[in-house]
Amino acid sequence: DAGVIQSPRHEVTEMGQEVTLRCKPISGHDYLFWYRQTMMRGLELLIYFNNNVPIDDSGMPEDRFSAKMPNASFSTLKIQPSEPRDSTVYFCASTPQGGNQPQHFGDGTRLSIL
Amino acid sequence: AQTVTQSQPEMSVQEAETVTLSCTYDTSESNYYLFWYKQPPSRQMILVIRQEAYKQQNATENRFSVNFQKAAKSFSLKISDSQLGDTAMYFCAFMKHGKLTFGTGTRLTIIP
Repeated sequence: DAGVIQSPRHEVTEMGQEVTLRCKPISGHDYLFWYRQTMMRGLELLIYFNNNVPIDDSGMPEDRFSAKMPNASFSTLKIQPSEPRDSTVYFCASTPQGGNQPQHFGDGTRLSIL
Repeated sequence: AQTVTQSQPEMSVQEAETVTLSCTYDTSESNYYLFWYKQPPSRQMILVIRQEAYKQQNATENRFSVNFQKAAKSFSLKISDSQLGDTAMYFCAFMKHGKLTFGTGTRLTIIP
């Protein structure tokens, strides 16, 4: 069974550029979550989807961040324009229908904005 | 809103010893789920153990067990016969309606 797949594993780009992080959830999982992990705030939920529909985006820090889920097997998190303070690790996770099942995490994308 | 508190930022124990990581949470909910996740240096987030709040029996998974005290809102993780591979960050997490709230983590080091 393939797990949650995130790409790229590392992303280095210059300030002001658009950054796109990608996630493929586990097949059959109806919930998809985007998190970021920082030293100051730990793991914080940015947004989550149920059946491709955004349910709660209250954790998205500002308008520079956006997320989409065009189909059940793909989601993106975009930052435009990127800033150095966006540099951290971003995780995607998925879980089966029911919502209270354990979340399965991808390996994360480490983002570095120069 | 739920909060999860892990009061031990760092711990270290000798290999083969038993260690307990503490976690408390605050919620007005009666039905919820609790988890411990492990994050080794490889950065993966790995599920260690899960507890349903409606179950009084403490969950166990091999060397890992929890002490769940619902009235006290406490959910500690006990690792028995600790191994070098247990070295990692450990996160306690509260789940309701599919949303996870994480604690700030405890960095555990197993000393050879």
